[in-house]
Order: sequence, then structure tokens, then C-alpha cells
Amino acid sequence: GAGVSQSPRYKVAKRGQDVALRCDPISGHVSLFWYQQALGQGPEFLTYFQNEAQLDKSGLPSDRFFAERPEGSVSTLKIQRTQQEDSAVYLCASSFGTGTVNTEAFFGQGTRLTVV
Amino acid sequence: KQEVTQIPAALSVPEGENLVLNCSFTDSAIYNLQWFRQDPGKGLTSLLLIQSSQREQTSGRLNASLDKSSGRSTLYIAASQPGDSATYLCAVIGSNDYKLSFGAGTTVTVRA
Repeated sequence: GAGVSQSPRYKVAKRGQDVALRCDPISGHVSLFWYQQALGQGPEFLTYFQNEAQLDKSGLPSDRFFAERPEGSVSTLKIQRTQQEDSAVYLCASSFGTGTVNTEAFFGQGTRLTVV
Repeated sequence: KQEVTQIPAALSVPEGENLVLNCSFTDSAIYNLQWFRQDPGKGLTSLLLIQSSQREQTSGRLNASLDKSSGRSTLYIAASQPGDSATYLCAVIGSNDYKLSFGAGTTVTVRA
């Protein structure tokens, strides 16, 4: 597609519910990132994929967070047993290159998650 | 850990005035620096990317400078317009890294 696409745009979850957030990166982009943005803050890194390999998950805040990219394209971020502190905008970004080459990041519109 | 700071946190100017947005980072060993624009409820739009070997980049009314040794970047927006109202974020990638470290952003309001 022309850009990074995320769905849903908005999600309201009851505390304890599981949610799944989808990211469609730009076609051909090898690198895919998930970031979490709290209100009034800059995005914080969650996890990084190079093709289907999850090379870095150091930013995932707890073991309730899980991400996958099984075929090296679409990625899903899953949050189990959601808590109020999980309320944030979840941003997906992709870039053509890997490592430190062609690293310009292109972001999706984000998914705003509200846990009630 | 890389810390990125943006000052001021908010800025309000009349239409036509030039905007100056500041970004500083604690670790000067960066690979590149990127400026983004974020509209309310939207994702991030890339404005300018400066490689560590570059001093500045320009696109239309936007000009970004980079002083890597002092850990500073400045985004200049000439002749501001109400449509420039948004939050501007800067982010760096470390020289041995791949992920972006962001500042908290500067929220700009341009008054008609």
C-alpha cells in the first residue's frame, strides 16, 4: 500500500479483556517497529522486527504484551488482560533498510486504546 | 540511555512569524535525526531527516540544522501559517542502534 496502515483506529476494552492491534507496513519494508505513546509524551519503543524475526522486545512493558510478524509483512501486537495503564496510542512504523542503512521511519495513524 | 529534550513544550505565534523549535540530546553518537509532525489524534509524518554527517536539511519553508558535537538540532519554519499548528517531535537513532528515541514534542499554535 501507499503508507503504513493500522487497524483498528480506536479500541475501547474493558479491563481484563485481550486486544489485538494490526499493522500493515509499506510493501517491501524490512524493518517494523511498535511504539507506545502516552498522552502528552513522545513515543516509546516497544519492539523491533527484521522481516519475521523479532530482534528486540526490550521495550515491552510486561509479559502481557506479545508481538508477531509471522510472514515478514503484517504484524500484530497483542495485549492480554488489559489494564488501565495500557491506555495509550500504539504506533507502528516501518523502514526499508535494516541496522543503520535506509532508516527513515514511516509511521501509521496509530491505534488509540482506551481501557475502562 | 539517550535522553531527548524539546524546548519549549508549547509555542503560540501570530501568522507570518518565523518558528524556532529546539531539540537537544545527551549522547552525541547518533546515526541520524528526524523531525516529525503530529496532528491531534493522528500518526507521525516525517518532515526532515538529517544524517549525522550533515549540518542541515531544507524542504520548502522548513530548515533543520544539526550540531552533533553539542547535541542540538533546531527546526526553523518560515512565515508560519495556521496550517502549521501541530505537535513537532524530534527523534534520534544512535550510531549503533536502530530504534528512535523521541522528545516529548513542541505543540505549536499559529494564530490567524
